[in-house]
Amino acid sequence: GAVVSQHPSWVICKSGTSVKIECRSLDFQATTMFWYRQFPKQSLMLMATSNEGSKATYEQGVEKDKFLINHASLTLSTLTVTSAHPEDSSFYICSARGRKRGGITGELFFGEGSRLTVL
Amino acid sequence: RKEVEQDPGPFNVPEGATVAFNCTYSNSASQSFFWYRQDCRKEPKLLMSVYSSGNEDGRFTAQLNRASQYISLLIRDSKLSDSATYLCVVNIGPNTGNQFYFGTGTSLTVIP
Repeated sequence: GAVVSQHPSWVICKSGTSVKIECRSLDFQATTMFWYRQFPKQSLMLMATSNEGSKATYEQGVEKDKFLINHASLTLSTLTVTSAHPEDSSFYICSARGRKRGGITGELFFGEGSRLTVL
Repeated sequence: RKEVEQDPGPFNVPEGATVAFNCTYSNSASQSFFWYRQDCRKEPKLLMSVYSSGNEDGRFTAQLNRASQYISLLIRDSKLSDSATYLCVVNIGPNTGNQFYFGTGTSLTVIP
């Protein structure tokens, strides 16, 4: 079964509104969570890396004030797309790893993804 | 230069065929290597890790060549259900920020 849960799976919103996406590790403590976005027929692009209790590290070109990441607990990270615009429409995926999951093997465990459509 | 390069394909092969994908990486400090499978509009799922000695899982064989800095995935006796995008993933390792890098993915379609 899934070890990382992402919610919501689909969201449609009006331009200018903010959208929050949650990523939860279900059976392990996720010391690190990653947020990606994926446009159609393209690979995953890392947006930011989030370690529990510290500020997220954003990749070059990703606006931290636009994409707010909070990793307040060892099982939950949230991505908030603020003042969303149509160009923010994309597939957003989180992944997580911790000592119990991926700590030795290095494997990443992915959430199911959230498809955002901004009208 | 991209950290990970992959031929995007598409590869269209008949059922039963053998198909191979390659992926090259640029950082010689890379420590862990994986093949993930991604179905359309779904999240990537681990297909197999790639070990230095090479490893096999049923119809799938993965190999690593550190000297030439590439990894490969071989699929034998292709099934219709193998149709997906295959992502090559490389982990640079904790001493360099523990970064994961993804290839663009190789699209495979197995034709009846």
